[in-house]
Amino acid sequence: GESVGLHLPTLSVQEGDNSIINCAYSNSASDYFIWYKQESGKGPQFIIDIRSNMDKRQGQRVTVLLNKTVKHLSLQIAATQPGDSAVYFCAENIMTGYSTLTFGKGTMLLVSP
Amino acid sequence: KAGVTQTPRYLIKTRGQQVTLSCSPISGHRSVSWYQQTPGQGLQFLFEYFSETQRNKGNFPGRFSGRQFSNSRSEMNVSTLELGDSALYLCASSSAGGLGNEQFFGPGTRLTVL
Repeated sequence: GESVGLHLPTLSVQEGDNSIINCAYSNSASDYFIWYKQESGKGPQFIIDIRSNMDKRQGQRVTVLLNKTVKHLSLQIAATQPGDSAVYFCAENIMTGYSTLTFGKGTMLLVSP
Repeated sequence: KAGVTQTPRYLIKTRGQQVTLSCSPISGHRSVSWYQQTPGQGLQFLFEYFSETQRNKGNFPGRFSGRQFSNSRSEMNVSTLELGDSALYLCASSSAGGLGNEQFFGPGTRLTVL
């Protein structure tokens, strides 16, 4: 498969652990945030999103936390599985009507069985 | 429903040549965005098309261009290729674009410039 990034921050966890991936976003005017998962050889896949009027949103095994004061976003994955191994990107968007996303550099999550 | 498809998946070109990449969005989606992904710069927005009109453009030189057809299929063109254009080019579609509409990505076209 194709490498999506070299020298990415890497988080190594054991299967069953909870994982927390962090992201600092750049634009204080951003009001919509998305987490994507990218596996080798594939395009980014939507995981979960959150709007700026919320500070927490939960999905299936995933939770996103938003702290607008310090412009910080985190993705929590519960009971991490080997299939969760991938590169995770946060993306921010200013909801002015366009689809432009600004992506973070990404974090590689490695899950050991 | 079929996902976003991109052709070709892999491409090798030499400096100075031009290249055209194709993207077919999910049926019914009218917005198509293009991104460039490199190890050094990560994912960067190129441009977005909606109903055959370019709505937004990223910070790339004029050698990068695109268009969208009436069936929402989109092409991007890179002229006078440079070594630094080697990247994974990703296309994403959404139903209306903007306002938090989820974007669905294709698998990408891996372009290598020699």
